Amino acid sequence: SQTIHQWPATLVQPVGSPLSLECTVEGTSNPNLYWYRQAAGRGLQLLFYSVGIGQISSEVPQNLSASRPQDRQFILSSKKLLLSDSGFYLCAWKKNLGAGGQGSQETQYFGPGTRLLVL
Amino acid sequence: AQSVTQPDIHITVSEGASLELRCNYSYGATPYLFWYVQSPGQGLQLLLKYFSGDTLVQGIKGFEAEFKRSQSSFNLRKPSVHWSDAAEYFCAVGARFGNEKLTFGTGTRLTIIP
Repeated sequence: SQTIHQWPATLVQPVGSPLSLECTVEGTSNPNLYWYRQAAGRGLQLLFYSVGIGQISSEVPQNLSASRPQDRQFILSSKKLLLSDSGFYLCAWKKNLGAGGQGSQETQYFGPGTRLLVL
Repeated sequence: AQSVTQPDIHITVSEGASLELRCNYSYGATPYLFWYVQSPGQGLQLLLKYFSGDTLVQGIKGFEAEFKRSQSSFNLRKPSVHWSDAAEYFCAVGARFGNEKLTFGTGTRLTIIP
């Protein structure tokens, strides 16, 4: 069966410090991977998604970046955190049906999340 | 581009009462529709999804949802809620072609009172 891990679970960082959040998936290959941010009362905002190694799509302009160095690893980074970066960060994966597939039909499965507090 | 509206930010119901959470979507064709639930401090868990066929979809934990094309809605229902149903519920829409993304609503927080 497939599992998705995120770490750390909780992180408190000062403004201006760097950030690295990690997401890994087990039990599947070549998944689509997603980073979301959830701010209080604002639902889920898609930040980045990846359909393969080294392929990153950015959904919103911001001081965050994402990388996919390995097939089942997705990393969210920042060089200098802002107060507004505080929130709950969720990683998700889904099956990649390849070119021409009706990709959004597949279910996205979410990790447990990382709570980030920037002070 | 697709969009989702969940008009109710917070709903309170008594344990044992029926529940309906509203979801309206905007998309140029029949979308893929999902309901997820999130317990405090946790990730999201899929309750049910609609792709095609029968417009009444059964999910886990006794939930069901009905796709109504004429109303662009996909409301979530449960005939009798339990205290453990207290959580946040998210409706999401996915495009049917050429799009790998889901668009989520802002969520509805459900409180259960004894």
